[in-house]
Amino acid sequence: GNSVTQMEGPVTLSEEAFLTINCTYTATGYPSLFWYVQYPGEGLQLLLKATKADDKGSNKGFEATYRKETTSFHLEKGSVQVSDSAVYFCALSTPSGGSYIPTFGRGTSLIVHP
Amino acid sequence: DAMVIQNPRYQVTQFGKPVTLSCSQTLNHNVMYWYQQKSSQAPKLLFHYYDKDFNNEADTPDNFQSRRPNTSFCFLDIRSPGLGDAAMYLCATSRGPDPNQPQHFGDGTRLSIL
Repeated sequence: GNSVTQMEGPVTLSEEAFLTINCTYTATGYPSLFWYVQYPGEGLQLLLKATKADDKGSNKGFEATYRKETTSFHLEKGSVQVSDSAVYFCALSTPSGGSYIPTFGRGTSLIVHP
Repeated sequence: DAMVIQNPRYQVTQFGKPVTLSCSQTLNHNVMYWYQQKSSQAPKLLFHYYDKDFNNEADTPDNFQSRRPNTSFCFLDIRSPGLGDAAMYLCATSRGPDPNQPQHFGDGTRLSIL
C-alpha cells in the first residue's frame, strides 16, 4: 500500500537558517504529492503541491521537487522566520472509493527561535 | 470567502453521552472527509463521502457514524464517547475524483470527555 515517511521532529532552527524536511514515499504509479502546514489550534492548509515527476511546487518561500528516481519530495526554505513555526505534513493521493484520499506522513514539528 | 466551517470549535461532553459535530462548506466540493487527530499525530481518516456514497475506513470504530444530508453539510455522530475519543476532529473537502486536487480543512472541533 501507499505510505509516506517523514523525518522525525522537532526541528529547531534559528531565524534565517536554511530548512530541509525530508519526505519519501512508497506508491504504485505516480501519485500527486503535497505539503500541508498546521499552525497551533488550526486545521491543515495546503502549502504546495506537485503533480508529476520533476515538477517543483513553491509557495511563501518554500519549495519541494517531485523526484521520481528517489521517490522523494523534500521541503526546503532558504531563510526561515519565527512565523514558520508549525507542523508540516507530507502527503500523497491514494485512490479510494471512486475518489482519492490523502495518505499523510506523521508530521514534522518546526520550531524557529528569534 | 469560500470555506469550510466547523462548529463548535470546542465541545465538552460526558462519558457515554452522544455528541454531534457539524461541518459546512461553501466550496461546493463533492467530497467531504472526517478526521480524528490526537496530539502530535497525523490526522486519521474516519470516513469520507464521494457525493452521497459513504466510505468507511476499516478501523473506524462502530461508535462513530456520519450523515451528509446535502452537498454543503456533514455531521459526525459519536454514539457513546469514551475517554479515548477526546481529540481534535477535522472536516475537509475536495473536488473529486481528481488526484491533483488538494483538501481544504476547517479549523477543527476539539472534543473533551468528562
